Amino acid sequence: AQSVTQLDSHVSVSEGTPVLLRCNYSSSYSPSLFWYVQHPNKGLQLLLKYTSAATLVKGINGFEAEFKKSETSFHLTKPSAHMSDAAEYFCVVSGGGGSNYKLTFGKGTLLTVNP
Amino acid sequence: DSGVTQTPKHLITATGQRVTLRCSPRSGDLSVYWYQQSLDQGLQFLIQYYNGEERAKGNILERFSAQQFPDLHSELNLSSLELGDSALYFCASSAHRRGADGELFFGEGSRLTVL
Repeated sequence: AQSVTQLDSHVSVSEGTPVLLRCNYSSSYSPSLFWYVQHPNKGLQLLLKYTSAATLVKGINGFEAEFKKSETSFHLTKPSAHMSDAAEYFCVVSGGGGSNYKLTFGKGTLLTVNP
Repeated sequence: DSGVTQTPKHLITATGQRVTLRCSPRSGDLSVYWYQQSLDQGLQFLIQYYNGEERAKGNILERFSAQQFPDLHSELNLSSLELGDSALYFCASSAHRRGADGELFFGEGSRLTVL
């Protein structure tokens, strides 16, 4: 069984300051991990994915995430927040075996960016 | 634009009624997934179809059913609606190719309000 915990339901930052969205996971397998973003009134969009290659993964719009097995974490970061980053972010763990229906979504972290 | 189309975008109906939500996947994608998103439950996987056949079931109620047609579009039928069925229903599709695990393309959702 797998699970994912997003440690903050809401993060507020000022434009131009760093972003850190925290995610811890639990998995019986070597996990695949993902971050998805949902802008207001839109569907979810894949931001980045980790699938056992490089532990530092770069995604779209300047986001990156680092897989840390010892800490069972997959935190999402961005050096400088932009107003357009305001959205809800979901950390996702895969049950493996190439079965997309085994994706487990976190509860989401709402990112607010203040001018 | 993800390429996944969902209709209707908004739907208001009464308890006890039946509604049908429609989804057209990205061109070429054979898999369709249905998710329910609510404030208390988060994003919950309902059901997956692959090339017209049911592939996996998640937390889908017996009052709900789905199908995928030969042209690959899918419909989610919700019957005997209850207040608690009010939610955002997402459809997603995926390609079955090497390296695409976990890569789902989401529509913008159908917001169902049951009064």
